[in-house]
Amino acid sequence: NAGVTQTPKFQVLKTGQSMTLQCAQDMNHNSMYWYRQDPGMGLRLIYYSASEGTTDKGEVPNGYNVSRLNKREFSLRLESAAPSQTSVYFCAIQAGTASGANVLTFGAGSRLTVL
Amino acid sequence: LAKTTQPISMDSYEGQEVNITCSHNNIATNDYITWYQQFPSQGPRFIIQGYKTKVTNEVASLFIPADRKSSTLSLPRVSLSDTAVYYCLVLNYGGSQGNLIFGKGTKLSVKP
Repeated sequence: NAGVTQTPKFQVLKTGQSMTLQCAQDMNHNSMYWYRQDPGMGLRLIYYSASEGTTDKGEVPNGYNVSRLNKREFSLRLESAAPSQTSVYFCAIQAGTASGANVLTFGAGSRLTVL
Repeated sequence: LAKTTQPISMDSYEGQEVNITCSHNNIATNDYITWYQQFPSQGPRFIIQGYKTKVTNEVASLFIPADRKSSTLSLPRVSLSDTAVYYCLVLNYGGSQGNLIFGKGTKLSVKP
């Protein structure tokens, strides 16, 4: 997961608490993404950012806010956590290859439990 | 963004060749076909990408027919460690992919 750093790796929250998941890249790429993955399920896109200062909703944005204040960082905030938000959260950046289209590089994930 | 369809699950035995097919009928001229592999508790990782014909790397081969409406990921002589979920995506050349949605992927189970 070189190039994409997610913090924290683990977090336990009580219902109603707030927290921010951080994602930072050192690869100077424009596009960044936040996904969630529930146990045994596929990835679902929460929000994405095509460039610094811009963000757009994905498949499941409700209950989340994001911030892309600079090119390097893309944060995901839960204002009032709910048990349904218990999941593993992955940040991804869109990086180019030498031969073709851009591909995604994922972080190691942040495992969130809401009690 | 081209929608993709792939089998939900596949079973195989060690040493066999596994072929996972993905259909992408609405693929555009500038789209590349990209496959990812995901192990439990890890983020997906890129394994192979192609535009047409055949691409091979140290992990897999990717076969793409002339009409590009489908593609086949081929894993030669699988081992237990190839048990994972495999995702097929269609990515546009250059620029942001925007609303980049993964499907459910194909869960490959390799048995001894």
